[in-house]
Parts: sequence; structure tokens; C-alpha cells
Amino acid sequence: DAKTTQPNSMESNEEEPVHLPCNHSTISGTDYIHWYRQLPSQGPEYVIHGLTSNVNNRMASLAIAEDRKSSTLILHRATLRDAAVYYCILRDVMDSNYQLIWGAGTKLIIKP
Amino acid sequence: DTGVSQDPRHKITKRGQNVTFRCDPISEHNRLYWYRQTLGQGPEFLTYFQNEAQLEKSRLLSDRFSAERPKGSFSTLEIQRTEQGDSAMYLCASGRGSPLHFGNGTRLTVT
Repeated sequence: DAKTTQPNSMESNEEEPVHLPCNHSTISGTDYIHWYRQLPSQGPEYVIHGLTSNVNNRMASLAIAEDRKSSTLILHRATLRDAAVYYCILRDVMDSNYQLIWGAGTKLIIKP
Repeated sequence: DTGVSQDPRHKITKRGQNVTFRCDPISEHNRLYWYRQTLGQGPEFLTYFQNEAQLEKSRLLSDRFSAERPKGSFSTLEIQRTEQGDSAMYLCASGRGSPLHFGNGTRLTVT
């Protein structure tokens, strides 16, 4: 699987939008971009995924660059409960085993 | 809530002892994964089951580690002759493809 690069940490104020970047310059045409997050003392939780087009769900939005070499997870209005480590992961659709390769993620700190 | 359940949540053991962890996946999920996570790092893949068949094992899974999933339902992960380097969070996940659903893990401390 191709690798991703994320900042180690980011800070944001409560009730403001948060943009979490992810670089994946070696992404292949069959790689989906997945985001998970991990709250303290919990297992990871799925957030969103996409291939080429921007995606929205109740948790977040995913903006994917036209060349697909980068993407941004957008939390529209951060709350203290959004403080977590956010992981950007590429998953090859041809990989039937769905083995995910995780980096260290971005630790998001929300200031009240 | 019928999420992924792991037991125990915490385990403290002495070096050289054997430990066994249990994972109960979401009932309709045919795929089950074990991951290991150390402090400040993302999860590392250990092994994967589709139904009762263990289809893939990481090189991280030494001979001291064994996993089973009898009847394609719950799974167990056993570590024999534990070492201090085995101290980590052991995560179980299940799914039918995308996405994966994770349990809250078993934190193992080897003293």
C-alpha cells in the first residue's frame, strides 16, 4: 500500500472548522482514501472514505485534490469530543483482504 | 449496542506467562482482524480471518502468537511465554468489507 504523510499534531478552537491535511503522492488509481479517528482509550472509528469525488457524511467532509495526491478531512464545527488522533489511510480496492497500513496520524487538540 | 467486544480490557502478566484474549465481532461480519498498537503509533496488522479460515499473518506474528476463530464467530489470540516487548494494546476489528469496526482493545502489560 502507498504511504501517507500527515502532520503530527494540530490545534483548533471549539466550534470552528478544522482542516486536516494528508499527502499521498504515490497513490495509485485503485487506492481509496480512508479516514479513521481514535479517541483516547478507544479503538479506531471509521470517519469517511472516497476515491475521486468529494464526499460528505454526518461526521465530516472529504475533499480530494484533482490529481489525488492529497486530501483534506474537514470537520465543519469542531467540538471537544472531536479531540482524537486522525488517521489517513490508503486502501487498494484490489486488496480483498482489506489489510490497512496505518501511520502515526494527526493528534487533533481542541481548545475550548 | 452490538459492537465489537473484547475481553479483558486490561491484562497484567509476568514475563514468561501465557495470555489469551477474546474478541466477539459484530455477528453478521465474516471478516475479523487483529492489530497491535504501541504508544504513539498507529495499529499494526497481525492477522486476518475470513469466516473460520486464517488467510493472512503478519511477520510480526512470531511462533509465540496464535489466533483462532472456531466456527467463524468469536476469535482468540494467545501469546505464549510473554516478553516485555509484547506490552501493547491488542485491537480486534470486524467487517464485511469497508469499513472496519473496532473494539476498544485489550491492554497488555508484561512485567
